[in-house]
Amino acid sequence: AQSVTQLDSQVPVFEEAPVELRCNYSSSVSVYLFWYVQYPNQGLQLLLKYLSGSTLVESINGFEAEFNKSQTSFHLRKPSVHISDTAEYFCAVSEAGGTSYGKLTFGQGTILTVHP
Amino acid sequence: DAGITQSPRHKVTETGTPVTLRCHQTENHRYMYWYRQDPGHGLRLIHYSYGVKDTDKGEVSDGYSVSRSKTEDFLLTLESATSSQTSVYFCAINSPNTGELFFGEGSRLTVL
Repeated sequence: AQSVTQLDSQVPVFEEAPVELRCNYSSSVSVYLFWYVQYPNQGLQLLLKYLSGSTLVESINGFEAEFNKSQTSFHLRKPSVHISDTAEYFCAVSEAGGTSYGKLTFGQGTILTVHP
Repeated sequence: DAGITQSPRHKVTETGTPVTLRCHQTENHRYMYWYRQDPGHGLRLIHYSYGVKDTDKGEVSDGYSVSRSKTEDFLLTLESATSSQTSVYFCAINSPNTGELFFGEGSRLTVL
């Protein structure tokens, strides 16, 4: 079984400031890691994922996350945030391999609020 | 859009009544999932399906049943709703090639 801990329930920042949303996981097997974003009254959308290969993964809108196996972390970062980044962000983990992509264990979520 | 439709989008019901939520997909994906979202808990897997008439339990399956008689439809049933089942329910389908889950827009259920 896996577990995910998002270390901050709320993160307020000012526009154009950098941000880091922290995620730690626990698992006895190899994992895939994901960050999903949820805008108000909407479903979740995939932001980025780590399946294998390079431990640094990037999204199309400037977010990046680094898989750190020794620290069992997958922190999400952005060097300069925009008002439109205001949303709730979820870190998730699944067992690697096979067809287990959809059986995700989610963290509790981090609400990112970007102030002007 | 990933072609997922949930119905109803909003429902208020009373304790002890049966409730069925429907998820319909147009993507012909094999895997479908039901999650519930609650503040402080993120999303938790209720049940999932890996094909017609093939389903399995997730983390929080007690009090829920599912059925999948067609590839495109996955039904979640609360046989006798309780207040603890007040939640937002999300259906999702899985893209086996990319590892991405596509979510529906959610069904908000209130049990009084």
